[in-house]
Amino acid sequence: DAKTTQPPSMDCAEGRAANLPCNHSTISGNEYVYWYRQIHSQGPQYIIHGLKNNETNEMASLIITEDRKSSTLILPHATLRDTAVYYCIVSARWGKLQFGAGTQVVVTP
Amino acid sequence: EAQVTQNPRYLITVTGKKLTVTCSQNMNHEYMSWYRQDPGLGLRQIYYSMNVEVTDKGDVPEGYKVSRKEKRNFPLILESPSPNQTSLYFCASSPRTDTYEQYFGPGTRLTVT
Repeated sequence: DAKTTQPPSMDCAEGRAANLPCNHSTISGNEYVYWYRQIHSQGPQYIIHGLKNNETNEMASLIITEDRKSSTLILPHATLRDTAVYYCIVSARWGKLQFGAGTQVVVTP
Repeated sequence: EAQVTQNPRYLITVTGKKLTVTCSQNMNHEYMSWYRQDPGLGLRQIYYSMNVEVTDKGDVPEGYKVSRKEKRNFPLILESPSPNQTSLYFCASSPRTDTYEQYFGPGTRLTVT
């Protein structure tokens, strides 16, 4: 599976968009990019995933660059409840998720 | 309510005393999996199951057993727990075997002394 690189932490003001970057320069053609988040020590929560096209759902948007070597998760209007560790994962093997260290996002009032 | 449940949520036990952590999902999901989470090591997969009676090892299966006799249940068994199995454990399920969307349980915090 391709490795991912995420910043260890970032802050975001409440109500503003949060843009979370992820580098995956060794991604293969059949590997998906997907995002999870974990609030404190709760179970991780699935957010979104994509292969090459940009994706949007009720929680977030996923922007994947044309060369697929990086992506950005966008939380359009961050709230205090979005404070969490966000994990970017790249894998072609369904069900086998390999979590890295993620990005600690702190949303401030 | 659609959910994955785990029991117990907290457990303190002693070395060598067999224990079982139960996991149950009410969503009729085919796929289920167990992870452990340790500081600095992130989440690591222990075992997974594609369907009833079908299980396979994840990245850190040593010291654990699982079974999948019913679709909804996927218990994690520690036959002889050791202190290095002190961890936060999560069970997860997916509706199909071709999706990356997993639903996680609330976690079980296990301490082995």
